Amino acid sequence: EAGVAQSPRYKIIEKRQSVAFWCNPISGHATLYWYQQILGQGPKLLIQFQNNGVVDDSQLPKDRFSAERLKGVDSTLKIQPAKLEDSAVYLCASSVGGETQYFGPGTRLLVL
Amino acid sequence: DQQVKQNSPSLSVQEGRISILNCDYTNSMFDYFLWYKKYPAEGPTFLISISSIKDKNEDGRFTVFLNKSAKHLSLHIVPSQPGDSAVYFCAASSGNTGKLIFGQGTTLQVKP
Repeated sequence: EAGVAQSPRYKIIEKRQSVAFWCNPISGHATLYWYQQILGQGPKLLIQFQNNGVVDDSQLPKDRFSAERLKGVDSTLKIQPAKLEDSAVYLCASSVGGETQYFGPGTRLLVL
Repeated sequence: DQQVKQNSPSLSVQEGRISILNCDYTNSMFDYFLWYKKYPAEGPTFLISISSIKDKNEDGRFTVFLNKSAKHLSLHIVPSQPGDSAVYFCAASSGNTGKLIFGQGTTLQVKP
């Protein structure tokens, strides 16, 4: 069974630029999550989708971050404009229901 | 407000000995707990979980203990192997929402 796929793996941008990350969850997993992991901290949930609907986006900085999951399968997370403090690893995870989540390899973002 | 805490940033043990990783939580509504292992440049990998109706769950060399009255859980690895060297995160959720709250992580080093 293929795992969660993410791209790109690494991205370096200047502040105020925009960037987008892509995630393809495990086949059949209805729930998809985006996490932000800052160096030295645990992952923090940004947004949770159930199929193509948003379940929880309370921690998403909506003035600059947006996410969508069209057709209930893959998803994109966008940052526009990026700030220095957005430098982090962005992790995508998926699950069948609401318990065990399976993570992708992450996208490491550096904002200069 | 750190609802899940891993107070030991690092732990070093000898190969073959027991590794004990600890995690404390503050929210009494948490009813499901997980441990993830993370290697550098990879996403977290699910290791073991426990429901609040249990106080112990075992899977091979890994055992998780839950003390609800103390709001404390621990992961025991016996015997420890060099391949276990990684960052370990504990996570908690409530009400099958799927929203995981992670601790800061503990870096385990198993010396040959």
